[in-house]
Formats: sequence, C-alpha cells, structure tokens
Amino acid sequence: GIQVEQSPPDLILQEGANSTLRCNFSDSVNNLQWFHQNPWGQLINLFYIPSGTKQNGRLSATTVATERYSLLYISSSQTTDSGVYFCAVAASGSARQLTFGSGTQLTVLP
Amino acid sequence: NAGVTQTPKFQVLKTGQSMTLQCAQDMNHNSMYWYRQDPGMGLRLIYYSASEGTTDKGEVPNGYNVSRLNKREFSLRLESAAPSQTSVYFCASSGQKGGNEKLFFGSGTQLSVL
Repeated sequence: GIQVEQSPPDLILQEGANSTLRCNFSDSVNNLQWFHQNPWGQLINLFYIPSGTKQNGRLSATTVATERYSLLYISSSQTTDSGVYFCAVAASGSARQLTFGSGTQLTVLP
Repeated sequence: NAGVTQTPKFQVLKTGQSMTLQCAQDMNHNSMYWYRQDPGMGLRLIYYSASEGTTDKGEVPNGYNVSRLNKREFSLRLESAAPSQTSVYFCASSGQKGGNEKLFFGSGTQLSVL
C-alpha cells in the first residue's frame, strides 16, 4: 500500500510565526486530505486536496501530485493552531482506502 | 446540523464485557466508517459501510462487529472486550452522491478495558 511520511514530527513556534508542514507519499493519489486534531482530540477536516492549491483563512495547502508531496502552510500562527496535523492519502478517490500519516505535533507558544 | 455524533464519549469496561458504540450523521452521506487511534499507530480503519445495508472489513476488524441500521446510523459492537481494545474510537462519514470523498469525524469515544 501507499506509504505516507510527514515532517517534521514535532514543531514548536512562537505565536505569530509561519510554518510549513510536509506530507510525502509513495504512489500516485486521487484522494488527499489534511486534518487537525486539537488538544481535546477532535479531528477537523482542513482540506480535500488531491491536487492544486487551496486556501482557507490563514491556512493554505498545495499538492504537487506528480512529485508526490503536499504542503500545509499556517501563517500568523495562534495558540489555537496547536495540536496534531495529519495527512491522509488514497490511490483511489475513495475515503475507505485512506492511509494516515503519523502526524506533525504543533505547539504554538503565547 | 450536528455533523457526526457518536456516543458515549468515555467508557470503562472489564475484560469480557460487551458494549455498542453508536454513531449517527445528518449530512446525507452514503459512506460511514469506524476507526481506532492508538499512540504510535495512527488511525486505522476497523470497518466501513459504503451504503445502507452493506459493511466491509477494514485493516483491523478482529473482535468487532458493525451494523448499518439505516443511512444515518452505523454502530460498532465489542462482543467480548479485551485490554488490547483500549483505544480512542472515531466514527466518520463521507461522500454525498456526486461529491468528493471528504471525511468528517465524530468527537471520539475513549474506551478503557481493564
């Protein structure tokens, strides 16, 4: 199956800083999603982005499918951005085949 | 519009006891899923249901059963709980007809089996 690798595993930022999280995958994908798990454990879907670029407020994501990676950008980070960010990918378009990465633990300090 | 609702939020069981985790979604999604999340193992699919009346095994189905009661509801049952089933369980749904397979999660159930 597809291998998913996220980097860095841990990231500590000062409030207001920008960051880039990376997701590498081993095969072509037709489904790629980014999630944020907050400190209370809730999983929020940030982006469905098998290719191209999307933006939602301070967050944006870019997937370069031909080079097998996706990037999640967080600008002007806030303490509420803290948590774990997961990338999940599938070769098919179906969510049932999603493979989750091990996540990036982000801590934003006030 | 509550999204995906799962109950209970917390549960403690003794080895050998049974329980059912309930999940309901109000987004008219066709597909529903049960995942477990363990430290160092990430999220792993237990069972999924592509539509009402159908269910299929995921990566880690042993020790679990599921029921897709109708389009809205998908339950997960542990018949005889084991300590290895201590985990956080998430229900999820995806896929309006003609839409993309964006995954939406419930708030999770923290289960401890003693």
